[in-house]
Formats: sequence, C-alpha cells, structure tokens
Amino acid sequence: ELKVEQNPLFLSMQEGKNYTIYCNYSTTSDRLYWYRQDPGKSLESLFVLLSNGAVKQEGRLMASLDTKARLSTLHITAAVHDLSATYFCAVPTNSGYALNFGKGTSLLVTP
Amino acid sequence: EAGVAQSPRYKIIEKRQSVAFWCNPISGHATLYWYQQILGQGPKLLIQFQNNGVVDDSQLPKDRFSAERLKGVDSTLKIQPAKLEDSAVYLCANSSGTGIGEQFFGPGTRLTVL
Repeated sequence: ELKVEQNPLFLSMQEGKNYTIYCNYSTTSDRLYWYRQDPGKSLESLFVLLSNGAVKQEGRLMASLDTKARLSTLHITAAVHDLSATYFCAVPTNSGYALNFGKGTSLLVTP
Repeated sequence: EAGVAQSPRYKIIEKRQSVAFWCNPISGHATLYWYQQILGQGPKLLIQFQNNGVVDDSQLPKDRFSAERLKGVDSTLKIQPAKLEDSAVYLCANSSGTGIGEQFFGPGTRLTVL
C-alpha cells in the first residue's frame, strides 16, 4: 500500500523566516504533486515534479524531488502571511493518475 | 477556460437519508475523479473514470456509494443511506488523462450528516 507522509503536520513560523516541509513516500514514483488549500477552499495546484532532480520555484516557494530517496521538499523562503495555508503532497497510485495524498502540513505565518 | 463545477456547495442531512452530488468537469478532459476529504486529512480517492468507464473504484464503499458518468461528461456521486462518518467534503477533480497528470479540483461539496 502506497503511503505518503508529510512532516511537520503543523508549522508556525515568523514572517521573514525560512523553513522546509518534507514529503516521503513508500513506493517508487517518478512524479509528485504539491497542492495548496486555504481554509474552506478547494485544492490549488502548486507544483508538478516529473523526474528525479526536478526543481520548481514560484515566488517564495521551491519544490524538489529525489525519486531515489522517495523524498520531496517544499522550501519556504522569507515567509509572508499570505503563505498561511495547508500544503499537501501527492503521489500517483498504481492504477494511473489518481493521487494518494499526505495528511497535509498546516502552515501559519505570524508577524 | 472554465474550471470544474460542483453542486450543491453545502448539504446537511440526517443519517439514513440519501444525497447526491453533481460535477461538471473541464471540457475535453477525459479523466474524472471523486475524492473524499475528512476534516484534517488529505483527500482520499473514491472513484476514477476514464470517459464513461470506471478505472478504479477499489476504495468506494459500494454498499452505500454509487457513481456514474454520463456520456463521458458530467458525473454524479450518490450516498444511500448516509452514515455519520460520511460527513466530509466531496471533491471532484479532472485531468486530461495524458501527459503530466495534473489534476484540477472543483470547489467541493461539504456534507454534514446529523
């Protein structure tokens, strides 16, 4: 059974600080997806990582994928309040492109 | 490009009642998914369609849940009868079915079972 584990599950950080969210998965996969969810809202696609060593950056967020270690990271640089949300990583299931999600990392950025 | 539409947005029912959710996907995207998201958890796949056909329904509680996709476009998800533990947000997602596999999610239907 494919397992996707994120840590930390909760993160409170000050504005301007840097931090990394980790996503480990239990079976081989050459792709991984990151989503953002604001309270009461649906999921917004952030990054699609399609190969080993893939790195994507958007604003203060940077995601990377190491398929050999079965690890993806989401790095936050100089956090701002607008980044407060829940971040999910997801890996395709064996049946196709359906996704198996982690439990999410709830991020709160405080002044 | 219009996004994935879902209705209703909210629904409150009593246990043992029936409920149905509707999803209108992005035009031309062949693959449609229904996910269940319980509060504080990540979405969990219920069923995946490719055009009209079911690709994966292994996690669908078939004794009470059913889903269909008519003419490879709109889809409905039904629960009959509902249980307390069915309280969740039901998300419909869509992808082109090829290429990078990126999924686009609808706003969801928040179901409360009393």
